[in-house]
Amino acid sequence: GAVVSQHPSRVICKSGTSVKIECRSLDFQATTMFWYRQFPKQSLMLMATSNEGSKATYEQGVEKDKFLINHASLTLSTLTVTSAHPEDSSFYICSASYRNTEAFFGQGTRLTVV
Amino acid sequence: AQSVAQPEDQVNVAEGNPLTVKCTYSVSGNPYLFWYVQYPNRGLQFLLKYITGDNLVKGSYGFEAEFNKSQTSFHLKKPSALVSDSALYFCAVRDMNSGNTPLVFGKGTRLSVIA
Repeated sequence: GAVVSQHPSRVICKSGTSVKIECRSLDFQATTMFWYRQFPKQSLMLMATSNEGSKATYEQGVEKDKFLINHASLTLSTLTVTSAHPEDSSFYICSASYRNTEAFFGQGTRLTVV
Repeated sequence: AQSVAQPEDQVNVAEGNPLTVKCTYSVSGNPYLFWYVQYPNRGLQFLLKYITGDNLVKGSYGFEAEFNKSQTSFHLKKPSALVSDSALYFCAVRDMNSGNTPLVFGKGTRLSVIA
């Protein structure tokens, strides 16, 4: 199947700093990627839809100035958590759809803000 | 609007016994249906999908699922459970006519296979 690579898999940062998470589709072009957040023992919450060459579409309640999304190419989307706080600690997962059918997911990033 | 219900938070089964993880869905049009598995601190791994055709879909690791349109269900099954099947399972749906939109996920069911 198609491969989506997410990096880093784990990051610890100090409160107030910014963290960038990368999501790459390795063997296909993804005009649209999706960013999810997952709290412990809970399902995936869609944060935003990342569109290549245009602004991301954010879900209600997600701060666009805090979670900056850039989709500069057909194979790369980035999520930057700005001025991170402990409550931003979570598991972040990206996905991209292949041929408008199933979605393929990155490995996820465990963010811990201390 | 699309939605997925996984009525069980936890399913426990003895190793070697058959397992079922339940999923029902709601879409306005025809559904694309998926099952994913998640191991601790990992992303989601695709197990199987129903797009069209045969209602019984076979996927990875011996899993299968049956699409039942009248009951709007897509239950995940395996004839003989392994301890290594213990994980978090997500059912997801997309409306076939909705274009490249994100999948809608159920809340997940934690499967525990006991040796």
